[in-house]
Amino acid sequence: DAKTTQPNSMESNEEEPVHLPCNHSTISGTDYIHWYRQLPSQGPEYVIHGLTSNVNNRMASLAIAEDRKSSTLILHRATLRDAAVYYCILREGGHNNAGNMLTFGGGTRLMVKP
Amino acid sequence: EAGVTQFPSHSVIEKGQTVTLRCDPISGHDNLYWYRRVMGKEIKFLLHFVKESKQDESGMPNNRFLAERTGGTYSTLKVQPAELEDSGVYFCASSQDLGSSYNSPLHFGNGTRLTVT
Repeated sequence: DAKTTQPNSMESNEEEPVHLPCNHSTISGTDYIHWYRQLPSQGPEYVIHGLTSNVNNRMASLAIAEDRKSSTLILHRATLRDAAVYYCILREGGHNNAGNMLTFGGGTRLMVKP
Repeated sequence: EAGVTQFPSHSVIEKGQTVTLRCDPISGHDNLYWYRRVMGKEIKFLLHFVKESKQDESGMPNNRFLAERTGGTYSTLKVQPAELEDSGVYFCASSQDLGSSYNSPLHFGNGTRLTVT
């Protein structure tokens, strides 16, 4: 699987926007960009994913660079509950179930200050 | 809908003993995955079932680990005999098969924390 690079940690103030960067310079044309997060004492939780176009859902927005070598997860208003480790993961696209697994890196630990 | 459930939430066993972890995926999810995080390391893939078949078991560390998914519903992961380095958190996840499975999110359980003493 292609690798991603994320900062080890970031800090944010509550109710402010947060931009979590991810570099994936070796991304292939069929790789999807997935974001998961892990809150303390819980399993990872799906946040959002995309291929080329920017994506929005109720949790976050995903901005993907035109060359797809980087992306940014945007939390529009951070809350204390958003404090978690955020993982940016490339997931192979394919025509069958092969390569379906996620490869987790170290992620970015987001700390939210009240 | 009920989420992915794992049992037990914690298990403490002695080296050399056997432990069986259970995972109940979301109903209707054909894909089931096992992952684990050992102390201080990243979350690592163990294996992937599609229904009752092992699609990919490239992450299984050795033959002390045996995963089954009889009938394509719940899955068990047995560690026999357990070693100290098996301590960690074991996560199960499931996803739908939407034809293009790389597009379907994984839903994780809260994990089983295994401590081998």
